[in-house]
Amino acid sequence: GAVVSQHPSWVICKSGTSVKIECRSLDFQATTMFWYRQFPKQSLMLMATSNEGSKATYEQGVEKDKFLINHASLTLSTLTVTSAHPEDSSFYICSASKPGLAGDEQYFGPGTRLTVT
Amino acid sequence: QKEVEQNSGPLSVPEGAIASLNCTYSDRVSQSFFWYRQYSGKSPELIMSIYSNGDKEDGRFTAQLNKASQYVSLLIRDSQPSDSATYLCAVKSGYNFNKFYFGSGTKLNVKP
Repeated sequence: GAVVSQHPSWVICKSGTSVKIECRSLDFQATTMFWYRQFPKQSLMLMATSNEGSKATYEQGVEKDKFLINHASLTLSTLTVTSAHPEDSSFYICSASKPGLAGDEQYFGPGTRLTVT
Repeated sequence: QKEVEQNSGPLSVPEGAIASLNCTYSDRVSQSFFWYRQYSGKSPELIMSIYSNGDKEDGRFTAQLNKASQYVSLLIRDSQPSDSATYLCAVKSGYNFNKFYFGSGTKLNVKP
């Protein structure tokens, strides 16, 4: 199997506060994890790619000082939304890359719904 | 040009019919291709991966790959209302092995 968990599944926070989201691969080691954001009725948007033990690679237009990513181990990556604002309200989804028979496959966590009031 | 192109749909098929979902990609050296299903409000779920030209069958699902035409498709036989979802095509970059490109998805409606 390939199970990826996320915590929390939903969170409501006040504007200006920070929120940390955890992503764990439960039954495999993931050298690479990905963070996505998805607004209602829109496509997945890749925010950053993180590799264990190194700095994350952010996509163009994503503020690395606002979205802090830490990939501390082969099974855990965290995304911290700093000084959150209402426009950061979205569905945040992580995924983890698992080696398959013919190449890496990407498995998604269940997502975290963030609402900033 | 986007790396992965899909028709956004919606594609409507009656229950029991075959649903055909298509995807084209631009990276000629890509070797790994994936189909994900995403229900409304949920995260994507991997349903098929394909690496070689031809067909790959898994239950009611068949993935088809044609690297020469840079084309991937997903056939769903005996479509059920529970198959109604958005189907995402993903292609792993042939140059950057950490890079996966996702299409914007095709919304499938299976009518009872």
